[in-house]
Amino acid sequence: KAGVTQTPRYLIKTRGQQVTLSCSPISGHRSVSWYQQTPGQGLQFLFEYFSETQRNKGNFPGRFSGRQFSNSRSEMNVSTLELGDSALYLCASSKTLAGGETQYFGPGTRLLVL
Amino acid sequence: GESVGLHLPTLSVQEGDNSIINCAYSNSASDYFIWYKQESGKGPQFIIDIRSNMDKRQGQRVTVLLNKTVKHLSLQIAATQPGDSAVYFCAEADSGTYKYIFGTGTRLKVLA
Repeated sequence: KAGVTQTPRYLIKTRGQQVTLSCSPISGHRSVSWYQQTPGQGLQFLFEYFSETQRNKGNFPGRFSGRQFSNSRSEMNVSTLELGDSALYLCASSKTLAGGETQYFGPGTRLLVL
Repeated sequence: GESVGLHLPTLSVQEGDNSIINCAYSNSASDYFIWYKQESGKGPQFIIDIRSNMDKRQGQRVTVLLNKTVKHLSLQIAATQPGDSAVYFCAEADSGTYKYIFGTGTRLKVLA
């Protein structure tokens, strides 16, 4: 069974631009969660989608948004990029809502904002 | 401003020795606990999990211990190998609120 895939793997953007990252969960998994990982803050929860609805949200500004499609694939978008948005963005999938289920992570998208 | 990097605790272990990585969790309502391993440049990889109705679970070369009284979780790795060098995260989850909380991680260095 294929694991969680994320595209692109690497991205360089400049301040003020916007970016869209994509995540394909493990087949049969309906929940997708997004995390930001930085050396300064560790692993921080962005949001979780299940059945195309956002079910949980972390403490990030509204510039960070996401969506989930009917095939469970998910995208996250960051608008008006700031230097501090440089990070590894990880998505994780689970069969149902995370909390009682194991989350499996993708390799991440490394975003560099210049 | 300049951000201060997280100081990850580091555990250095001789190859072949056993490793014990500890984690204190915060939410008394958490009922599911997971250990992840993250190698440089990769996403976290699931190692082992345990539910709150258990206090010990064993996998291949790994054992997780849960002490709910003091909200403590530990990961034991037997016969540590160079390939075990990585950052290890514990995560706690609350199946009532569906929230996952990750610890800051411990870096394991295996000395040859």
